[in-house]
Formats: sequence, structure tokens, C-alpha cells
Amino acid sequence: EAGVTQSPTHLIKTRGQQVTLRCSPISGHTSVYWYQQALGLGLQFLLWYDEGEERNRGNFPPRFSGRQFPNYSSELNVNALELEDSALYLCATRDQETQYFGPGTRLLVL
Amino acid sequence: SQQGEEDPQALSIQEGENATMNCSYKTSINNLQWYRQNSGRGLVHLILIRSNEREKHSGRLRVTLDTSKKSSSLLITASRAADTASYFCATDRVSGTYKYIFGTGTRLKVLA
Repeated sequence: EAGVTQSPTHLIKTRGQQVTLRCSPISGHTSVYWYQQALGLGLQFLLWYDEGEERNRGNFPPRFSGRQFPNYSSELNVNALELEDSALYLCATRDQETQYFGPGTRLLVL
Repeated sequence: SQQGEEDPQALSIQEGENATMNCSYKTSINNLQWYRQNSGRGLVHLILIRSNEREKHSGRLRVTLDTSKKSSSLLITASRAADTASYFCATDRVSGTYKYIFGTGTRLKVLA
């Protein structure tokens, strides 16, 4: 069974640009979570989607947004990139109790 | 803000020694989970302990949970260089619309 996949693996952008990150969940999982992990820090919760709806969002500005598609895959969009958006962005899905993480997208904003 | 707090923040031990890291949390939980993260990669689920369990084992891992103190510990026995990673606890809260709260992590370095 395939795990959670994310694309791209690495991305370099400049300030002010926009970026879209993608996540495909494990087959049968309907929830997708997005996290931001700045270098050397813990995970900061960004967004939670379930059954196509945004269920909750963390303490991030509106320029962080996303959506979930009918096949439960998800996109995270970040507009007007700032230097501090440089981080590892992790996507996770879950079964009844456990979250399963993708390998992440490393974003560097110059 | 993050509910979980791991300590120590960093730990350096020799291969073959045991490593213990702790996690404290603030609210009632359904379960607590430990994850490992190798440098710059995704998190790997290690073990889950439910709120009605006090101890759980998986291979070289031993997890304890004390709900009265709102704390958990992860013990890695006979550590190996390959155990070098960051370890995070995550709590599945009973209340609230967001289910998983991650701690700040313990960076473990096992010296060969």
C-alpha cells in the first residue's frame, strides 16, 4: 500500500511569489493535515481537511490556504511568500488513531 | 501554542546506552503517540499508548503514561547510531476541533 506522497520535494522561490504544494493521502484516508516545521523547530499545525471541508486552521495568516479534492488529495497554497516561510511542509493523513506523514516539501524563500 | 513539551531538548549518549525522553501535556487526552524524525524528513510513527494504559512495549521501545501527572516517557534501550533522530510526542486531545498536538521534540544523538 502506498504511503502519503508529497510534491515537489524541494522548491526555491523568491519573496512575494506564490507556491502550491500537493499531498496525496493513503488510500481510504479522508483527512489531511498540513504542518509547517521551520528549521530545528517543532511542528506547527496549519490546516486540517476532512471530507473536502476545512475543519480547522492554525495560527497562520490568510495567505496560507488550501483545499481538498473529491479524491481526498490536497493542496496548500501560500501567497506573497516571506523569508520566514522557509520551512519543511509536512502533510499527514490518519486512520482511527494514528497520523501517517509524507516526506515533506522543503521550501526555501530567497 | 504546542501542548506537548519534551525534555530534554537534546540528548547525546554512547551506543549501547539507554535513552530516556519525557513529554508533558496540558489537557485530557485519548491517546499519546511518539514519532521519530530523521533529519529533514517526514515523521515515522513509533508507538501509541491509550489513556487507559500505563505502559507499552515495542521492540527496544518502552513507553509509559501517567495521566495524573499528564506526562509520558519514551525509553530506547541498547541504543544504536541509527537511532539518531528527533523524537516527538503527539497528543490526541479529548476536546477541541484539532486532534493532534505535537511537542517541540528531543534531538537524540547516539555516538558510535
